[in-house]
Amino acid sequence: GESVGLHLPTLSVQEGDNSIINCAYSNSASDYFIWYKQESGKGPQFIIDIRSNMDKRQGQRVTVLLNKTVKHLSLQIAATQPGDSAVYFCAEIHGNQFYFGTGTSLTVIP
Amino acid sequence: DAGVIQSPRHEVTEMGQEVTLRCKPISGHNSLFWYRQTMMRGLELLIYFNNNVPIDDSGMPEDRFSAKMPNASFSTLKIQPSEPRDSAVYFCASSWAHSGGAGETQYFGPGTRLLVL
Repeated sequence: GESVGLHLPTLSVQEGDNSIINCAYSNSASDYFIWYKQESGKGPQFIIDIRSNMDKRQGQRVTVLLNKTVKHLSLQIAATQPGDSAVYFCAEIHGNQFYFGTGTSLTVIP
Repeated sequence: DAGVIQSPRHEVTEMGQEVTLRCKPISGHNSLFWYRQTMMRGLELLIYFNNNVPIDDSGMPEDRFSAKMPNASFSTLKIQPSEPRDSAVYFCASSWAHSGGAGETQYFGPGTRLLVL
């Protein structure tokens, strides 16, 4: 039957390729941003963060880019692995306001 | 270090029953958050506490929902009476925040999967 619910954006990539997941945020005053990864049956897990005074931050295999002009955030995953398959959420923070995006579902094809 | 601890991990109950979800935040964190996640609505913030004081409960759906934080290491989310539409995964998260703030990185527990029949 037809399923009703959030239609998450989906991204399928081949193992070993790079992945780019995008997020548009709403509040130009937001000054802190976080990417979370949520695997099936688990809670969201912190991946990487960035403050509004930066436009790029790198971690292990992940890079976050922030474009404040167009209020856009992206997460780049290098050499994507099957274990990267999950839903990825961006979060924007301003003061005591905390907003999560709806998420993007990433599937890695072995 | 232990992360955020939630119990029970799974709960199946009948409509009209009281449900109590429990959370132990990470030691040293002073902010605690309760979220609900469903396929229909995604991840929703229900309420958050800073230094054991409720700061924002605007996400609590109805009077049937209540949350308490009697001390820095324990919080409960209670639903009374429960209804089938309350079926969801309930997450607790904690962080360190300056007074009144939502803090920065939130660390999530494994969630409680609630099914109300």
